[in-house]
Amino acid sequence: ELKVEQNPLFLSMQEGKNYTIYCNYSTTSDRLYWYRQDPGKSLESLFVLLSNGAVKQEGRLMASLDTKARLSTLHITAAVHDLSATYFCAVDINRNYGGSQGNLIFGKGTKLSVKP
Amino acid sequence: DAGVTQSPTHLIKTRGQQVTLRCSPKSGHDTVSWYQQALGQGPQFIFQYYEEEERQRGNFPDRFSGHQFPNYSSELNVNALLLGDSALYLCASSLAGRPGDEQFFGPGTRLTVL
Repeated sequence: ELKVEQNPLFLSMQEGKNYTIYCNYSTTSDRLYWYRQDPGKSLESLFVLLSNGAVKQEGRLMASLDTKARLSTLHITAAVHDLSATYFCAVDINRNYGGSQGNLIFGKGTKLSVKP
Repeated sequence: DAGVTQSPTHLIKTRGQQVTLRCSPKSGHDTVSWYQQALGQGPQFIFQYYEEEERQRGNFPDRFSGHQFPNYSSELNVNALLLGDSALYLCASSLAGRPGDEQFFGPGTRLTVL
């Protein structure tokens, strides 16, 4: 059974600090996605990582993918309160439909709280 | 350009009833996937529709069924509702044949079963 595990599940940070969220998955995949979810809201796409060694950055967030280790990281630099949300990683395991997405397997999410 | 839309926003039902949720994909998208997100959990894949057929299915019972229409919009039907069906139901759309494109999620329908 495919498992996607995130840690930590809860993260309380002070503004200005750095931290990393880890996403481990148990089967071969070279497509990994990071989403953000605010309370009561839907999922917002942050990053799409499509190959080993992929690194993407947007503002204070940087995501990377190591397919050999089956590990993705989401690094937060100099956190600000606006980053408070729940962050999900998701793995696409189905490659059978002309390259389009199959179903996504999500981790349980990391609830991030940034305090002044 | 309208994104993914879902209706209704909230719904309250009682055990044993049936419910229909609706989704319109992002303009230009032809594939619709449905997810169930229980409180405090990550979304779980229910099924995916493409060309009006169910293409993939997650580990959900037959009480969960769906449909896709020629305009690519989709419905999710749940029969014989259980308390455990209370969740946020998310619809996501994508375009077939585009490797690596992310799925765009709608705002969700919050279903409460009493």
